[in-house]
Amino acid sequence: GESVGLHLPTLSVQEGDNSIINCAYSNSASDYFIWYKQESGKGPQFIIDIRSNMDKRQGQRVTVLLNKTVKHLSLQIAATQPGDSAVYFCAEKDTGFQKLVFGTGTRLLVRP
Amino acid sequence: ETGVTQTPRHLVMGMTNKKSLKCEQHLGHNAMYWYKQSAKKPLELMFVYSLEERVENNSVPSRFSPECPNSSHLFLHLHTLQPEDSALYLCASQLERAGFAEAFFGQGTRLTVV
Repeated sequence: GESVGLHLPTLSVQEGDNSIINCAYSNSASDYFIWYKQESGKGPQFIIDIRSNMDKRQGQRVTVLLNKTVKHLSLQIAATQPGDSAVYFCAEKDTGFQKLVFGTGTRLLVRP
Repeated sequence: ETGVTQTPRHLVMGMTNKKSLKCEQHLGHNAMYWYKQSAKKPLELMFVYSLEERVENNSVPSRFSPECPNSSHLFLHLHTLQPEDSALYLCASQLERAGFAEAFFGQGTRLTVV
C-alpha cells in the first residue's frame, strides 16, 4: 500500500553546515513530490517540489533530489541557519488523483 | 501568510460540546482538505472536497462532520469528541490541475478535548 516514511525523526546540524533530510516512498505511481516546512505553531509551508520526470531541482539554498530507482527523495539545505529549525515533511501525489500523502516528518535542529 | 485562514486558532471543548472549525481561502482554488496532525504521526487526511463535492472520506468517525458551502469556505463540525481527538486540525486548499498538487495550508486549529 501507499507509504511515505522518513529515515530519521530528528536531525541536528551546526549552523552553517549543509543539511540533508531523507524520505522514502513506496508508491511507484507517484508522479509529483513536495517538501513542506512546518515551524512551531504554524501550518506546513511549501518549500520546493519536483516532478517524476526530473532528478534534481534547485531553489534558494535548497535542492531536492529524486531517485526513482530506489524510491528515495532528499532535501538538501545549504548553509543551514537557525531559521531553518522546523519539522520537514515530504509528500507524494499519485498519478490521476490530487491527494497528497505525507510522511511523519523530520525535526531539524540547528546548533549555534 | 498562505492565503488560507483558519479560525479559531485554539479551542478547548468538553466531550459533550458542539463546535465548528472554519477555513477560508480566496485563492481561487477548487479543492479543500481537512487534515489531522497528532504528535509523532503523519498528517492524516480526513476529508477532501473537490468542486464543493466530497470526494473522499477516509473512514473518519461520524463525530466529525464536514461542510463545504462554496469553494471558498470549509467547516468541520465537531460533536461528542473524545480526548484522543485532541490534535492540530489543518485546512488546505489546492488548485486541481493535471500535474500540479501544491496545497496551501492554514495555520491550524489546536483542539483540546477535556
